[in-house]
Amino acid sequence: AQRVTQPEKLLSVFKGAPVELKCNYSYSGSPELFWYVQYSRQRLQLLLRHISRESIKGFTADLNKGETSFHLKKPFAQEEDSAMYYCALRGQGAQKLVFGQGTRLTINP
Amino acid sequence: DAGVIQSPRHEVTEMGQEVTLRCKPISGHNSLFWYRQTMMRGLELLIYFNNNVPIDDSGMPEDRFSAKMPNASFSTLKIQPSEPRDSAVYFCASSSRGGGEQYFGPGTRLTVT
Repeated sequence: AQRVTQPEKLLSVFKGAPVELKCNYSYSGSPELFWYVQYSRQRLQLLLRHISRESIKGFTADLNKGETSFHLKKPFAQEEDSAMYYCALRGQGAQKLVFGQGTRLTINP
Repeated sequence: DAGVIQSPRHEVTEMGQEVTLRCKPISGHNSLFWYRQTMMRGLELLIYFNNNVPIDDSGMPEDRFSAKMPNASFSTLKIQPSEPRDSAVYFCASSSRGGGEQYFGPGTRLTVT
C-alpha cells in the first residue's frame, strides 16, 4: 500500500532559522515524490519534485530511499514561507497522487 | 487561462439536502481529479477521470457520493443526501497527461448543518 506520513501537523520557527518539514513514505517500488504548498487564500500548487533536483524559493528536498524519506529543508526561513505544506507520492506508472496530512508552517518574526 | 474553475466557492446546506459541486478543468487537459481536504485526514483523492472516463473511484466514501464528466470541460461531484461529516473543502485538479503536474482549483468549502 502507498502511504505518506507527515508527523508534524504544526511547525513554528523564527525568521532566519533553519526549517525542516518531515515526510516519510511507504511504497514497494520506485516512487515519484513531490512537495505541494498552499499559501493563505491561494490555490494548492507544486513546489518541487524529487526528479527535478532543483531548489525552489530556497527549498530543497532529497529523496532518501534507505530511510524512505523526502524531507523539505530551507536554511533560512522567511515570513512569506508561512503556509500549508503537503508531501505527495506517485507510484510507478500511476497517475494519482497520495498526499500526507500536511504540515502548517508558521514563521515568526 | 483562468486555471481550474470551481463553483460554488462556498456552500452551506442542511443535512439531507443534495449538493452539487462543479469543476471546469484547464482547456486541453485530459485528466481530472476530485479531492477532499479535512483537518483530520488531510487531502484525499476521491475519484479521477481520463478523457472523461472514470478510472479510479476507490476513494469515494460511499454511495451517497457520485461524480460525472459529461464532456472534456465539465465535471460534477454530487452528494445525496448530505451529512454533517461531509463538511470539508473539495478540490478539483486537472493535468495534461498521465503523470503530468496537477493544477488545482480554488476549492469549494462545504458546510453541512
